[in-house]
Amino acid sequence: SQQGEEDPQALSIQEGENATMNCSYKTSINNLQWYRQNSGRGLVHLILIRSNEREKHSGRLRVTLDTSKKSSSLLITASRAADTASYFCATDSPNGANNLFFGTGTRLTVIP
Amino acid sequence: GAVVSQHPSRVICKSGTSVKIECRSLDFQATTMFWYRQFPKQSLMLMATSNEGSKATYEQGVEKDKFLINHASLTLSTLTVTSAHPEDSSFYICSADQRAGELFFGEGSRLTVL
Repeated sequence: SQQGEEDPQALSIQEGENATMNCSYKTSINNLQWYRQNSGRGLVHLILIRSNEREKHSGRLRVTLDTSKKSSSLLITASRAADTASYFCATDSPNGANNLFFGTGTRLTVIP
Repeated sequence: GAVVSQHPSRVICKSGTSVKIECRSLDFQATTMFWYRQFPKQSLMLMATSNEGSKATYEQGVEKDKFLINHASLTLSTLTVTSAHPEDSSFYICSADQRAGELFFGEGSRLTVL
């Protein structure tokens, strides 16, 4: 299976703290993406990092990618209660098709 | 960003009936759409890839006669759950490929089979 794994499965932090989520995958990739999902809703694309990139920033988000370890991390700095959601990493198909395989997700709860 | 609309957002049906879920790209043409299934508190599992004008490609373990996919136009793909049973109750999400490489997701459809 190409599905990745994320840890932790659940994370609870105080508002203002940083949240770090990790993702590991199994196959070679062209890019890795992070998505956010509020409970019972669709997905919102957060950030895409290509296989030749090591780090990428977008606002309060910082994503790293280590292709040698087949792992990525998502850091949310200065968390807010509104950041409470599930976060998924997704990798593309090795054959280049634009379908995604999702990790197991991390449920983040930010306590006001 | 581009908008993908899914309908219905919630549907409750009796066991044995068929349910159709629509996925529309509202402001762009999508030659490829994807259907995912998500069980409570779990990740999304790719079910099938829907290609405009051709048969869908199903992932291993997904019954194509159970989950009928039709991609009749560049802006519409439909997923029909045939003869639904309680174990088909799930959250179904579609996504559309805008050619630029970024996928846009619908809001999802929650199916409950009684």
